Amino acid sequence: DAGVIQSPRHEVTEMGQEVTLRCKPISGHDYLFWYRQTMMRGLELLIYFNNNVPIDDSGMPEDRFSAKMPNASFSTLKIQPSEPRDSAVYFCASSLGVGQYEQYFGPGTRLTVT
Amino acid sequence: RKEVEQDPGPFNVPEGATVAFNCTYSNSASQSFFWYRQDCRKEPKLLMSVYSSGNEDGRFTAQLNRASQYISLLIRDSKLSDSATYLCVVNTNAGKSTFGDGTTLTVKP
Repeated sequence: DAGVIQSPRHEVTEMGQEVTLRCKPISGHDYLFWYRQTMMRGLELLIYFNNNVPIDDSGMPEDRFSAKMPNASFSTLKIQPSEPRDSAVYFCASSLGVGQYEQYFGPGTRLTVT
Repeated sequence: RKEVEQDPGPFNVPEGATVAFNCTYSNSASQSFFWYRQDCRKEPKLLMSVYSSGNEDGRFTAQLNRASQYISLLIRDSKLSDSATYLCVVNTNAGKSTFGDGTTLTVKP
């Protein structure tokens, strides 16, 4: 079975540009999570969806960040305009449920904003 | 104060050593607990869940103390392949998932 798929794996962009990160969760998983990982702040939950509906976006840093899940097999995280402090590894994860359920992570997108 | 706190290490141990990691959490509504492993430049992967009665998986033992809001991971007979960062994860039933910053382990020959 394919795991969580993320694209692109690496993204280098200039400050002010729009960045779109993509994620395909594991088929049958009802929950999808977006995380950001940096050395300074560790792994932070940005937003998560249940059945394509955003449930908690309290971790989204500011209005420059937006996330959508138009269907059960696809989600995007968009940053517009991007800033150097957005440089990080962005992980998407999916799970069957919350609480006691394991989250399966994608390989991540390494974003560098110059 | 962070919701989930771990000793960042690094822990440098010889092969065959026993090493223990600790994790404390502050949210008393926390219900589920896990240890994840993250290799360098890779994604986190589940190592084991942590149950109230404690649980063991081969060389790995996890313990939970709800009264003290404390979780531990014990690794016996360390292998070179155990070198990684170990992340403590605490979930509420409402869906909130909080990761610790991780403890880095290096096992040396």
